[in-house]
Amino acid sequence: GQNIDQPTEMTATEGAIVQINCTYQTSGFNGLFWYQQHAGEAPTFLSYNVLDGLEEKGRFSSFLSRSKGYSYLLLKELQMKDSASYLCAVRENQAGTALIFGKGTTLSVSS
Amino acid sequence: NAGVTQTPKFQVLKTGQSMTLQCAQDMNHEYMSWYRQDPGMGLRLIHYSVGAGITDQGEVPNGYNVSRSTTEDFPLRLLSAAPSQTSVYFCASSYSRTPGTSGSIGHNEQFFGPGTRLTVL
Repeated sequence: GQNIDQPTEMTATEGAIVQINCTYQTSGFNGLFWYQQHAGEAPTFLSYNVLDGLEEKGRFSSFLSRSKGYSYLLLKELQMKDSASYLCAVRENQAGTALIFGKGTTLSVSS
Repeated sequence: NAGVTQTPKFQVLKTGQSMTLQCAQDMNHEYMSWYRQDPGMGLRLIHYSVGAGITDQGEVPNGYNVSRSTTEDFPLRLLSAAPSQTSVYFCASSYSRTPGTSGSIGHNEQFFGPGTRLTVL
């Protein structure tokens, strides 16, 4: 079956580093996405991985291991505005672009 | 570009009423989809379309209909609203293939509309 797991909640302090893990079991794999969603708003794209390894984009990095069905999102130099939900999503196949989402991780950043 | 737009932003319905949630995009994206988001459940795919005239079911299609007569518009119809359909509905769109390539999907991320908050009493 299809399953994407993420921790429900995480807390951290300003300036710290936090790692949000995502494990997945899907019938196919054609890329993994991370989205950020602030309360009451739409999800916005953060990162994409399709090959094993680390993708870095400013304060955010995302890592993928396809053999382990595992990804993480790394947020550095945390700021208050990083308080949001972080959604892990897998695109299963080449023919379509439908995404399967995890339930999301709510990150609270305190001063 | 306006991106992905959704109307209405808020709606309250009574059980049994029908209505249509509107979604439009001006990015010439082939792929469009509808998700619902419920507390503790994440985003779940209702229906999707890979181009005008083509639609398919997602994970939770029951009680909903869609059509895709143009590239720009992808309305979601609730046939007979039920309290279980109280949710936040997001429409999303993306390219199906990376423009200018031989057909690779690449990292065509989905762009989301602002959402419609629906309450069914």
